[in-house]
Amino acid sequence: DAGVIQSPRHEVTEMGQEVTLRCKPISGHNSLFWYRQTMMRGLELLIYFNNNVPIDDSGMPEDRFSAKMPNASFSTLKIQPSEPRDSAVYFCASKGAGEQYFGPGTRLTVT
Amino acid sequence: GNSVTQMEGPVTLSEEAFLTINCTYTATGYPSLFWYVQYPGEGLQLLLKATKADDKGSNKGFEATYRKETTSFHLEKGSVQVSDSAVYFCALPSNTGFQKLVFGTGTRLLVSP
Repeated sequence: DAGVIQSPRHEVTEMGQEVTLRCKPISGHNSLFWYRQTMMRGLELLIYFNNNVPIDDSGMPEDRFSAKMPNASFSTLKIQPSEPRDSAVYFCASKGAGEQYFGPGTRLTVT
Repeated sequence: GNSVTQMEGPVTLSEEAFLTINCTYTATGYPSLFWYVQYPGEGLQLLLKATKADDKGSNKGFEATYRKETTSFHLEKGSVQVSDSAVYFCALPSNTGFQKLVFGTGTRLLVSP
């Protein structure tokens, strides 16, 4: 199994630009999670889906952030417009009956 | 709600030293407990878990025992290696969300040769 796949691995963009992060969960997993990790705030859960339906988005910091899961094999996290304080590593994780499996992350830098 | 508290890092050790990273939890009932590890530049991966009180989880020479009397799940390894340098997270399921995990703040381990 290829594991959780995230793209891009690195993204550098200018303030005000739209950023889209992508995730392909492990086949057969029915839960998907988006996390953000920074030195200051540690690991934060932004949103999670079960069977493609958003269950809890209370961690989404602002309306600039949105997430979708149009089907069981794909999810996106969009930031529009981006700001320098959004710079972080964003992780996607998926879960079936067992543990959560994390992707390698997308390192986002907003200048 | 359910929560975990981890010792602050970094923990700095020489190779072959004994490691303990403390984790205590607050929980409703007796949920499963987890240790995740994050190597530099990678995502988190499950290191070990324990599903009930008095269980011992183990993997790659690491061990942790689920102790309900002290509400603890301390991570130990008898002889650390340079390759163990990473950030270690204690975690347990949330009691408010369905499939969610609650993570500790993470403890960075630095092992020198």
